[in-house]
Amino acid sequence: NAGVTQTPKFRILKIGQSMTLQCTQDMNHNYMYWYRQDPGMGLKLIYYSVGAGITDKGEVPNGYNVSRSTTEDFPLRLELAAPSQTSVYFCASSFYGGRRAYEQYFGPGTRLTVT
Amino acid sequence: LAKTTQPISMDSYEGQEVNITCSHNNIATNDYITWYQQFPSQGPRFIIQGYKTKVTNEVASLFIPADRKSSTLSLPRVSLSDTAVYYCLVGDRYSGAGSYQLTFGKGTKLSVIP
Repeated sequence: NAGVTQTPKFRILKIGQSMTLQCTQDMNHNYMYWYRQDPGMGLKLIYYSVGAGITDKGEVPNGYNVSRSTTEDFPLRLELAAPSQTSVYFCASSFYGGRRAYEQYFGPGTRLTVT
Repeated sequence: LAKTTQPISMDSYEGQEVNITCSHNNIATNDYITWYQQFPSQGPRFIIQGYKTKVTNEVASLFIPADRKSSTLSLPRVSLSDTAVYYCLVGDRYSGAGSYQLTFGKGTKLSVIP
């Protein structure tokens, strides 16, 4: 199993550009998450999904959009990039329910710079 | 939301046992306590989880007192490769969608010295 994979690894965007961060998991997890991590800080939840077709906002959703058409994929869309979105983005997934839902598997991250 | 408090940083020499304590005074009855490890430029990695008393795996031990208002992650005989940030998290049940959202703080930066 590859686990959680993310592409691209690095990206530089100009202000106002848009892009999609890709996330795929092969563990058949129902739950998927997008976090951002600013330098020296903890992770903040952007969006999450409890299954295909169901998404909801996390702590910091402004400026982002998500979709979940399949169990495996959970792309994150930035529509009008701003310097405040410079960060490292992590995708994660977990099993549904009980103690396994607290055990999240993370991808390697995408380092995004907006200039 | 269940909030956690843990030391910002700790230093330890190689071969020593390291104990990192986390405070979570308003933990809910159904919450589990989970610890993650994060190396630089990598995503967090699950290391251990518990509900009460003691849990041990091949990486660490987790001690949780009866009142569950704190927990202690114990790393036996640390090596340089254990240098990382360690996060203590308490699972939140997001009432609307039923999702389990974890709240990550700044964690504890452990530096292992040769």
